[in-house]
Amino acid sequence: AQSVTQLDSQVPVFEEAPVELRCNYSSSVSVYLFWYVQYPNQGLQLLLKYLSGSTLVKGINGFEAEFNKSQTSFHLRKPSVHISDTAEYFCAVSEPQLIFGTGTRLQVFP
Amino acid sequence: EAGVVQSPRYKIIEKKQPVAFWCNPISGHNTLYWYLQNLGQGPELLIRYENEEAVDDSQLPKDRFSAERLKGVDSTLKIQPAELGDSAVYLCASSLRGYTGELFFGEGSRLTVL
Repeated sequence: AQSVTQLDSQVPVFEEAPVELRCNYSSSVSVYLFWYVQYPNQGLQLLLKYLSGSTLVKGINGFEAEFNKSQTSFHLRKPSVHISDTAEYFCAVSEPQLIFGTGTRLQVFP
Repeated sequence: EAGVVQSPRYKIIEKKQPVAFWCNPISGHNTLYWYLQNLGQGPELLIRYENEEAVDDSQLPKDRFSAERLKGVDSTLKIQPAELGDSAVYLCASSLRGYTGELFFGEGSRLTVL
């Protein structure tokens, strides 16, 4: 079975700084990869997804992620974060059912 | 367009009591999911429906959990009897058939068992 590892449970960062949230998956076959965001007391919302094609995927709210097959990674990045980006971020892989990582709490400070 | 609607948002019950959660998916979405989210964890699939058929319920604890989606639209997840360890958020999601991973989630039902 596939699995997803999110290496950081919490990432504190100051507003306007860049951020990277790390995600590694275990699979030797083609996969679909996703990042979801969960704001406090809300459901999950799709940020971006990689199905095929370009390894650099752009999503909503200025986020992007890069699929790296050799490193089995799908790290999420944003060049300049805002206070409103404070949320829980989940990486997921399809099996085809979605398998979620344990999440990374992004805390943006003013 | 209305999103996935869940109720109740919050529920507090005594252990051994029954509880039910309701979900109305996005109109036209054939696939419906129930996920369990424990504190500090990612969602874990409990059951997946394609229309009214449960096609994946391997992670549903069938001794105390049950679910139904009688007319292929809204769904109910029931726990009877509830245990302390059932305290969690129960998320409902829906997607189009043949999805490529884009699930639309409701806000969840937070259960506290005392």
